Amino acid sequence: TQLLEQSPQFLSIQEGENLTVYCNSSSVFSSLQWYRQEPGEGPVLLVTVVTGGEVKKLKRLTFQFGDARKDSSLHITAAQPGDTGLYLCAGPDRGSTLGRLYFGRGTQLTVWP
Amino acid sequence: NAGVTQTPKFQVLKTGQSMTLQCAQDMNHNSMYWYRQDPGMGLRLIYYSASEGTTDKGEVPNGYNVSRLNKREFSLRLESAAPSQTSVYFCASSEVPTYEQYFGPGTRLTVT
Repeated sequence: TQLLEQSPQFLSIQEGENLTVYCNSSSVFSSLQWYRQEPGEGPVLLVTVVTGGEVKKLKRLTFQFGDARKDSSLHITAAQPGDTGLYLCAGPDRGSTLGRLYFGRGTQLTVWP
Repeated sequence: NAGVTQTPKFQVLKTGQSMTLQCAQDMNHNSMYWYRQDPGMGLRLIYYSASEGTTDKGEVPNGYNVSRLNKREFSLRLESAAPSQTSVYFCASSEVPTYEQYFGPGTRLTVT
């Protein structure tokens, strides 16, 4: 059973389009993180959302944490080929003080020029 | 400031061979992790270490051993490699309580 479900699994769009990817859980998280992984590299942290209802913006990327802290979304405006990559959400294990994270399986985004 | 480094970057092993994957971080983080990444499976935790001298099993520890040599270094050993261990292996570190993890570039391992 996957604690964090991400959808869609694959997304292929043209440059300039908008898109939203989702990260959902039946569990409450104290925070959620979003990572981007480019081919041949390790994941890189984009943002951490902590407060229910929080919205954070990173240039054309908008991250939202659900009010109940069970879900999060990532919206990209006017996607560019440089946005291509695997987007992963992750949340900390509530029962652990050791920094252990649960990861979703990711959304593979391809943006065509 | 190199962050998290991993060696080797690529490795091919025959079934039954052993090898050690090396990881080092220069961010003075307490926690370190080993993950494997397979297509469609996301990142799965193999072992983690909250501090020097302590290690704990993650989701998929079978067939692996780890050593937290000091605060900087955390190694992963495959004693008798199997084709099912063909994967990309990532090391990461974090400073609790932020849980934000910093990843190395990965080791691409093929077992034939």
